[in-house]
Amino acid sequence: NAGVTQTPKFQVLKTGQSMTLQCAQDMNHNSMYWYRQDPGMGLRLIYYSASEGTTDKGEVPNGYNVSRLNKREFSLRLESAAPSQTSVYFCASTRIRAGGKQFFGPGTRLTVL
Amino acid sequence: GENVEQHPSTLSVQEGDSAVIKCTYSDSASNYFPWYKQELGKRPQLIIDIRSNVGEKKDQRIAVTLNKTAKHFSLHITETQPEDSAVYFCAASVAGRETSGSRLTFGEGTQLTVNP
Repeated sequence: NAGVTQTPKFQVLKTGQSMTLQCAQDMNHNSMYWYRQDPGMGLRLIYYSASEGTTDKGEVPNGYNVSRLNKREFSLRLESAAPSQTSVYFCASTRIRAGGKQFFGPGTRLTVL
Repeated sequence: GENVEQHPSTLSVQEGDSAVIKCTYSDSASNYFPWYKQELGKRPQLIIDIRSNVGEKKDQRIAVTLNKTAKHFSLHITETQPEDSAVYFCAASVAGRETSGSRLTFGEGTQLTVNP
């Protein structure tokens, strides 16, 4: 059981470039989430997918898009990266019947120059 | 939406002392309150959680208490050890909604330092 995996681990982009962060879970979880964590701050929800086929905005969705490709995979896309999107991005997942326990991936450290 | 406030932002204790971190939440519908520990450069790890139908939960040296009336919950770590040094996050959510998922709202974190 790999749990929640994310790729890539590190990425450097130039302003205006695009990229997709990948997340996959092998725990048969229904819901998946994308967070960003800025230095010295808590985690802020970008987008989430309560179940396969649905996605919803979180607290800070501007500048991002998501795709729930199937039950296992949930990707986050930056169409035109900006320096303000420099952050650590965490993916998480949960099984609804588990009552909310979220399990996190190892994170992607993104720097936008 | 939910708002979670966490205090203190930094906490320094001597090894063997107790540490207490407090959080308040705003949404009375919140019913699930997890605590995460995050070591430097690592992912947040769930260490303990509590549901609104329980007032206190304990797991070895850590315990969490919940006061629903006052809308606050606390993390207690006893007999602290240097390996307890990390950032601790509280969170709140309304768990169990099949259509909307369990959105966690996090506090801003407490940097706990345990001095040997």
